[in-house]
Amino acid sequence: DVKVTQSSRYLVKRTGEKVFLECVQDMDHENMFWYRQDPGLGLRLIYFSYDVKMKEKGDIPEGYSVSREKKERFSLILESASTNQTSMYLCASSSIPGGPYEQYFGPGTRLTVT
Amino acid sequence: ILNVEQSPQSLHVQEGDSTNFTCSFPSSNFYALHWYRWETAKSPEALFVMTLNGDEKKKGRISATLNTKEGYSYLYIKGSQPEDSATYLCAFLDSNYQLIWGAGTKLIIKP
Repeated sequence: DVKVTQSSRYLVKRTGEKVFLECVQDMDHENMFWYRQDPGLGLRLIYFSYDVKMKEKGDIPEGYSVSREKKERFSLILESASTNQTSMYLCASSSIPGGPYEQYFGPGTRLTVT
Repeated sequence: ILNVEQSPQSLHVQEGDSTNFTCSFPSSNFYALHWYRWETAKSPEALFVMTLNGDEKKKGRISATLNTKEGYSYLYIKGSQPEDSATYLCAFLDSNYQLIWGAGTKLIIKP
């Protein structure tokens, strides 16, 4: 059974803290993605990665960075958390680029920044 | 700016009734259309990936159609059951492999 796991389901952090969200997939997928989901909006892409140590900015990268040191792990970092980063964060993976392939999602991390 | 619209935003349906909802997307640079189901406290799961105009796909009581020329897809649920309660997301994949998401249709099945 394919799996994408995220380190926390719920997280509460203070403004200014550095926050790490971890994502691990066991499907040997090349592509990994970080999204945020806010009420009334579609999923918005923060960053994605097509290979180890490779990263590309998505639509809303400001205030975030990522790390992909191993193929199975993709981390999202909030350098200095702010209240407008309160959101649901979803990690996803998919197989090789260049195809219509579906994405496999983790269960999400609901982050609250106070 | 590419836009994917889903309607309605939310929907209450009596158990046993059939229902459908819509995803509208750009009619140019089409590569694929994805449908996902996202149940509360679970991960979004792919239902269908559709690539050809006129495609019809079915999984149990759920089916989907695709019209790439006019830029829409319908998702149908026949004989709704409580386990169908979820948010249904569509996503448009363009020829540059950019995936654009709709905001979803939240379906609530009333027993």
